[in-house]
Amino acid sequence: DADVTQTPRNRITKTGKRIMLECSQTKGHDRMYWYRQDPGLGLRLIYYSFDVKDINKGEISDGYSVSRQAQAKFSLSLESAIPNQTALYFCATSDGDGYNYGYTFGSGTRLTVV
Amino acid sequence: GENVEQHPSTLSVQEGDSAVIKCTYSDSASNYFPWYKQELGKRPQLIIDIRSNVGEKKDQRIAVTLNKTAKHFSLHITETQPEDSAVYFCAAISGGSYIPTFGRGTSLIVHP
Repeated sequence: DADVTQTPRNRITKTGKRIMLECSQTKGHDRMYWYRQDPGLGLRLIYYSFDVKDINKGEISDGYSVSRQAQAKFSLSLESAIPNQTALYFCATSDGDGYNYGYTFGSGTRLTVV
Repeated sequence: GENVEQHPSTLSVQEGDSAVIKCTYSDSASNYFPWYKQELGKRPQLIIDIRSNVGEKKDQRIAVTLNKTAKHFSLHITETQPEDSAVYFCAAISGGSYIPTFGRGTSLIVHP
């Protein structure tokens, strides 16, 4: 199921480096999201975008930035990576027609900052 | 904002037993409650959902119940099988925001 594709799948980077995680989708959804998953903490929202010109901070946006290059593409950047950003990152999309709020998640990017 | 509490954090059952995962929410405006299943190493996937105008919904061995007055909803899995082993997340969404608030997840382990 490649309708929401994340790259890379795994990445190890050094403290202080800039890194970009990419997400592309073929669902045709306007709404895209970035979450991080940490054991015992569930899924926490980093940023979200309801269309190409719309960018919103989530509950844990500090240290992250995003770019919505097109309806189908939403990138997450860590400007200067730190070890506590080690986590599993998920991109998700949703259909915002008011009836179907269900998310489609990408396969995730496992990021390790050393 | 919305706050979703999920219990238990870990649930261990024998194959064939039933499993129940409970969530409570705080925002009375929330009107959509999806449940996601995340198998080990995989993405979360929507397995069932319920809207605030419905009290119960079933899909084969899984069901979800909603009590709007008490602001809680539950996932019920009957006749559990080893392939039901996964982390389950509940979420609550207000119709105005479209942004779900997730519970912290329940790790369900089904022993053969």
